[in-house]
Amino acid sequence: GNSVTQMEGPVTLSEEAFLTINCTYTATGYPSLFWYVQYPGEGLQLLLKATKADDKGSNKGFEATYRKETTSFHLEKGSVQVSDSAVYFCALSDRAGNQFYFGTGTSLTVIP
Amino acid sequence: NAGVTQTPKFQVLKTGQSMTLQCAQDMNHEYMSWYRQDPGMGLRLIHYSVGAGITDQGEVPNGYNVSRSTTEDFPLRLLSAAPSQTSVYFCASSYSPGGKSNSPLHFGNGTRLTVT
Repeated sequence: GNSVTQMEGPVTLSEEAFLTINCTYTATGYPSLFWYVQYPGEGLQLLLKATKADDKGSNKGFEATYRKETTSFHLEKGSVQVSDSAVYFCALSDRAGNQFYFGTGTSLTVIP
Repeated sequence: NAGVTQTPKFQVLKTGQSMTLQCAQDMNHEYMSWYRQDPGMGLRLIHYSVGAGITDQGEVPNGYNVSRSTTEDFPLRLLSAAPSQTSVYFCASSYSPGGKSNSPLHFGNGTRLTVT
């Protein structure tokens, strides 16, 4: 079956620190991969996506590379800001089906 | 751009009461879905629809009903609320969840439901 496993939180970093949130997946076929971000009191927003192996998604300084050989899609940012404090969700969309599969979310707090 | 609109934002029910959570989208998306978000469990799919008149069950459908009479609307009904249904509910839509479009989900801002 399809599933997403992501790094447990919460994660607390100082401003300008390097961020990595690990995400691995299990899927049939060739899924599309996504990172979503959820700010307090809001719904999830798409942060970035990658649709095939070796694709790199990027947005707002965040990056993630679709690694088929390791079935991973780790989220990285070189220098986090206080405004990046949020919950981050890794997700996949199985092209054979009609469902998205989400990880459990990783809470990030950035302190000045 | 309204996007995905959910109402109400907050709701308190007593056990056994019924209610409908509303969801509407103005992006002409064929795919719509309902999730519940619980601490430590991420998002779990309740029901989804790939077009008007077509619905299907997700991971946790028990206690919930849906219908899709128009492309724009996808209400979620709780027939007899239980404390286990206390959660935050999100509606999400997409042009297409899979296939060649790889379209992402667009989320509403959620409904926080408490059942006492």
